[in-house]
Amino acid sequence: AQSVTQLDSHVSVSEGTPVLLRCNYSSSYSPSLFWYVQHPNKGLQLLLKYTSAATLVKGINGFEAEFKKSETSFHLTKPSAHMSDAAEYFCVVSDRHDMRFGAGTRLTVKP
Amino acid sequence: DTEVTQTPKHLVMGMTNKKSLKCEQHMGHRAMYWYKQKAKKPPELMFVYSYEKLSINESVPSRFSPECPNSSLLNLHLHALQPEDSALYLCASSQDRGGDTEAFFGQGTRLTVV
Repeated sequence: AQSVTQLDSHVSVSEGTPVLLRCNYSSSYSPSLFWYVQHPNKGLQLLLKYTSAATLVKGINGFEAEFKKSETSFHLTKPSAHMSDAAEYFCVVSDRHDMRFGAGTRLTVKP
Repeated sequence: DTEVTQTPKHLVMGMTNKKSLKCEQHMGHRAMYWYKQKAKKPPELMFVYSYEKLSINESVPSRFSPECPNSSLLNLHLHALQPEDSALYLCASSQDRGGDTEAFFGQGTRLTVV
């Protein structure tokens, strides 16, 4: 069985400050992990993925995430938030069969 | 072409209507998915097709009926829906089921049942 927990339902940052969105996972197998972003009334876009290669993964739009097996975490970070980053972010765990979504974190960026 | 195309973008239907949602991809992906997403919630898996065969049906009511005519197309037939079925319906595809292959999502169909 696998599951994913996003530790914050809502994160608010000021433009130009760092972003941290937290994700913990549970999986019986070596998981693959993904972060997706969803802007209002849109589909989901892949930001980045971890698939047992490098533990620090770089994605699009300046986002990156670090896989920490000892902490079962896959937190998403960005050094400097932009207004266009305001959206819903989903952490996803995938094993041999299926993907499971976290509950989502809504990121608000204040000017 | 890395797109998953869903039609229509918006759909309003009555509880006695029959309608279909369509999804198309030309990436050669062998797994295709239907998700239902309510406001401020994550997508919920409804159906998974793998190599054109239904492999997962997540206890979805029979008023939702999926169909995979070929490896590029996925339909969701709707009949006698309830107002609580109003949601964003997302289609996705991936190279294969699970594992390290990412899913590509369409823009969704916003369904309103009146």
